[in-house]
Parts: sequence; C-alpha cells; structure tokens
Amino acid sequence: DAMVIQNPRYQVTQFGKPVTLSCSQTLNHNVMYWYQQKSSQAPKLLFHYYDKDFNNEADTPDNFQSRRPNTSFCFLDIRSPGLGDAAMYLCATDDGQTHNEQFFGPGTRLTVL
Amino acid sequence: KQEVTQIPAALSVPEGENLVLNCSFTDSAIYNLQWFRQDPGKGLTSLLLIQSSQREQTSGRLNASLDKSSGRSTLYIAASQPGDSATYLCAVRLWMDSSYKLIFGSGTRLLVRP
Repeated sequence: DAMVIQNPRYQVTQFGKPVTLSCSQTLNHNVMYWYQQKSSQAPKLLFHYYDKDFNNEADTPDNFQSRRPNTSFCFLDIRSPGLGDAAMYLCATDDGQTHNEQFFGPGTRLTVL
Repeated sequence: KQEVTQIPAALSVPEGENLVLNCSFTDSAIYNLQWFRQDPGKGLTSLLLIQSSQREQTSGRLNASLDKSSGRSTLYIAASQPGDSATYLCAVRLWMDSSYKLIFGSGTRLLVRP
C-alpha cells in the first residue's frame, strides 16, 4: 500500500562524508520534491523534478544535488554534509496538475557527527 | 511573497474538548490548501485538501474551512483524544517561479491531555 517510500528511515554520517537518500513512488506521478525540515520548523523546498526537468530553489546550497533516473525514483545527494545539514528530509510527489494533492513519504532523519 | 502563519504555535487541551487551529496566508491566489498531521520524528500525513473553490471539507472528527478572500483557514477537531496529539501543518499550493509549490506554515503543536 505504500505510495511514497524513503530509504533509509534513519541515516548517520560523518562530517564531510557524502551521503545519498532515496525516494521511490508507486503513484506514477510526474513531479517529485525534496524538502528539508529542521526541528520545529516548516518544511523547506530544496528542489523538484517535473519529469526529467530539474528545478532548483534559489537558496538551496550547492552541496545538495539530486538525480531522477526514472519516473519512480529520485535521490538526494549531500556532497559534504555539515552539522547544519542534520534534519528530516522529506520526499513528496504529485501529478503536476493545478488542484492536486501532494503525497509525502515517511522521511529520512539525517544525523551528522 | 506568500507567507503562511499558524496560530497558536502550541496548544494543550483536556481530552474531549473541541478545538480550532488557525492558518492565515498573505496571497489569496492559491489553488488549494492542505492540512497535514506530523507525529514526532515522522513524515507528513495529509488530513484534508480544500480546493480554492470550496468552503470546507470534512473527514470524521475533522472539519477544515477556507475563506480565500480573507486569507484564512481553520481546522476544527471535535471531541479531541490523546491520539490527536501531534503537530498540525497547513500548506497552500500556488504557482510560483514557473511551477506549483506548497508553502507551509510552521505548525501548531497540539497536546491532548487524558
């Protein structure tokens, strides 16, 4: 029944050690989003893909990259994690239409040591 | 620039009480508004989606209203239960920078005391 799946649920990395977070979806949606959410804050959009078109938010650091090899999968790569990158990372999808609902995965909690 | 504000930031009520969570947004040119629930350390669960042409949506003990012209939405929870304890986030969908985006409020942290 799972629609948006994120792996792993918890990720621990060391300062400066690259890490990749994974998201997959069974909804066949065109659009996939990555959000960063720090404690007690609103989710902040990092970037999204509309099909293969990548859309970066203006204030997303270069340290964050993304790949979407096919409709179902999207990856978030953090090239050199800093302590300030510790957060919950949320993946979401929708079908890119005007009035439609966005569906979220369970999130990956990233800890940076 | 669209801003979404949720008041109060935190709320503690005894079990059984009816309660209202508030969400306001500055730009009325939205396509829809979603209310989400977030349990500690978990992802977002969609509770209700209200289209811009609608005034309210109901699901079980939850009722969400939307007044687009005044930039307000409320989430009404009837007969609250300890299991309702969570953070409730509202988000508006709009066209921005050539794509559809959700802009979130910071949430209301709800505690329902047994």
